[in-house]
Amino acid sequence: ETGVTQTPRHLVMGMTNKKSLKCEQHLGHNAMYWYKQSAKKPLELMFVYNFKEQTENNSVPSRFSPECPNSSHLFLHLHTLQPEDSALYLCASSQERTTNEKLFFGSGTQLSVL
Amino acid sequence: GESVGLHLPTLSVQEGDNSIINCAYSNSASDYFIWYKQESGKGPQFIIDIRSNMDKRQGQRVTVLLNKTVKHLSLQIAATQPGDSAVYFCAVLNNYGQNFVFGPGTRLSVLP
Repeated sequence: ETGVTQTPRHLVMGMTNKKSLKCEQHLGHNAMYWYKQSAKKPLELMFVYNFKEQTENNSVPSRFSPECPNSSHLFLHLHTLQPEDSALYLCASSQERTTNEKLFFGSGTQLSVL
Repeated sequence: GESVGLHLPTLSVQEGDNSIINCAYSNSASDYFIWYKQESGKGPQFIIDIRSNMDKRQGQRVTVLLNKTVKHLSLQIAATQPGDSAVYFCAVLNNYGQNFVFGPGTRLSVLP
């Protein structure tokens, strides 16, 4: 167990659906991240939260909407997605949004958009 | 900005042999480096890290080497085992010191 839990593990949705991904970390960290992992591509940073405040939106389309109600929980709300959004979505956490802090990842949500 | 690449997308080794996985990075100001292991169906798992004031660091069966002159990072796995089969990728802290840039990964296959 990595200390970062993501649900659901798999999700299939149509382009008109609305769904949410959930992440919870049990490590006492203050920074949380969403990453996208597409086949044969490096991890892409999507959003960063530090002490519940969004500090970075890496030019992510508005059909992805993050929410961080507290330092332990992170959500990614999805609506009107496109087939090219199919990917593994990974949540990560670190002690703080500072330098030299290793990231701890969850197992990810494998998303398929039909 | 930073770019991170590596030399081989796949690597096959015999069980018991040593494995070497490489990464190249572009920014000479990068100062923190991590190797992650990702098994099928799982998220990336931290293996070992190294800071720019070091050129070698050892863990259990793993060694990371950093050559700042040529901006090259390698992961050595001793006596490779079937459980080492996974995708390995490096993460480099970029020149602003805020975001990691990840390599595309090397898939290691261990042959019996």
